[in-house]
Amino acid sequence: KNEVEQSPQNLTAQEGEFITINCSYSVGISALHWLQQHPGGGIVSLFMLSSGKKKHGRLIATINIQEKHSSLHITASHPRDSAVYICAVSRKGGGADGLTFGKGTHLIIQP
Amino acid sequence: NAGVMQNPRHLVRRRGQEARLRCSPMKGHSHVYWYRQLPEEGLKFMVYLQKENIIDESGMPKERFSAEFPKEGPSILRIQQVVRGDSAAYFCASSKTSGSIYEQYFGPGTRLTVT
Repeated sequence: KNEVEQSPQNLTAQEGEFITINCSYSVGISALHWLQQHPGGGIVSLFMLSSGKKKHGRLIATINIQEKHSSLHITASHPRDSAVYICAVSRKGGGADGLTFGKGTHLIIQP
Repeated sequence: NAGVMQNPRHLVRRRGQEARLRCSPMKGHSHVYWYRQLPEEGLKFMVYLQKENIIDESGMPKERFSAEFPKEGPSILRIQQVVRGDSAAYFCASSKTSGSIYEQYFGPGTRLTVT
């Protein structure tokens, strides 16, 4: 079992729909990251959070430390949101060590 | 303030050649991480460096791969005697501080193709 699991693997939705992507992890963490990657493109950091909820524009990220679970929500989705969304964790107690990644969620928003 | 820079963006090498990938961290950042993304697979940590020091290389293959981050100049990921299985996207990221909570900024990646 992977230490970071994402669901769904693939998601196709219509423009305007509310999108939820889930991430569960099995290790102690100091922070959780949500990243975005466009096809053939670089990686952009969307959120880093260790508790509660963060919002940026139409994107909302939440984390429940007790349940070891995080969600990324996109409101009023748009075709330009089509990308791979990746959940990653910083493991607890390791200092500034490398991230451990989920396999990503391929999101397609159709007009 | 320029972001993380990587070059080249695309690199083609024949089997047996050497590949050198460069990463210049964001200004003021002294921590560099290298990650590899194999085709149809997720990202994997390779190595974490600070200036002149390798801090964690637990994700680096034991043979043919090496990394450095000299006092002056970019960080270099070096792959000797490349094989087809080394074809992947290699991303570097940098951060300003160490400690348990930090943000990493990613470069655009280098796509390595081994023919």
